Amino acid sequence: AQSVTQPDIHITVSEGASLELRCNYSYGATPYLFWYVQSPGQGLQLLLKYFSGDTLVQGIKGFEAEFKRSQSSFNLRKPSVHWSDAAEYFCAVGGYSGGYQKVTFGTGTKLQVIP
Amino acid sequence: EAQVTQNPRYLITVTGKKLTVTCSQNMNHEYMSWYRQDPGLGLRQIYYSMNVEVTDKGDVPEGYKVSRKEKRNFPLILESPSPNQTSLYFCASSLEGIGPPYGYTFGSGTRLTVV
Repeated sequence: AQSVTQPDIHITVSEGASLELRCNYSYGATPYLFWYVQSPGQGLQLLLKYFSGDTLVQGIKGFEAEFKRSQSSFNLRKPSVHWSDAAEYFCAVGGYSGGYQKVTFGTGTKLQVIP
Repeated sequence: EAQVTQNPRYLITVTGKKLTVTCSQNMNHEYMSWYRQDPGLGLRQIYYSMNVEVTDKGDVPEGYKVSRKEKRNFPLILESPSPNQTSLYFCASSLEGIGPPYGYTFGSGTRLTVV
C-alpha cells in the first residue's frame, strides 16, 4: 500500500528565509508525486508534480521539489519565503491500484511566516 | 473558467436528516473523487468515480453514497448524518481515471457540521 509521511506538523520561518518541507513516501514502483497548497478557507491548489525525467521539478509561485529515489523523499523548497506563502502544504503520492489511479495525501505541514 | 464547483460552502444539519452536497466540473474530466479533511489526518478519500456509472469506495466510505449519472456531476449523499461526519469535504476531478494521475483540480470545500 502506498503512503506519505510529512514529519513536520508545523514550521515557522522568517520572511525572506529559505524553506524546505519534508515528504517521504512509500510505494513499490516509480511513484507520481505531488505538492499541493491550501490557503486558509480555500481548496487545494497543485504546486508541482513529478512523473519522470529530471528529478528537480519547478512549480508555481517559485517552489521546487527534488525527487530522491534512494531516500524515498520529495522535499519542497523555496529560496526566499514571502508572507503570502503562509498556508498548509500537502504532499501526495499517486500510483496504480487495480489498474486505476489512487492518490494518497500526507497529513500536511502548516507554514507560518513571521516578519 | 475551468473549475470544480461545490455547494453549499457551509452546512449545519441535525443527526439523521438526509443531505446532499453537489459537485460539478466543467473540464470534461473523467475522474472525480470526494475527500474529507480532518485535523491531523490530512485528506482521506471517501469515494471516487472513473467515469459515468462507474464508482468505487475509497478509504472511508461508511455512511456515504455517491452517484455519477452525468460526467460533470458527482454528488455526495449522507443518508443519515452523524456527528462523526462533521468535517471539511472536498470534491476533486482529474483528466484520466485509468492511467497516470495528472493531478487534481479541487473545489473550494464544504464545511459540514452535524449536531
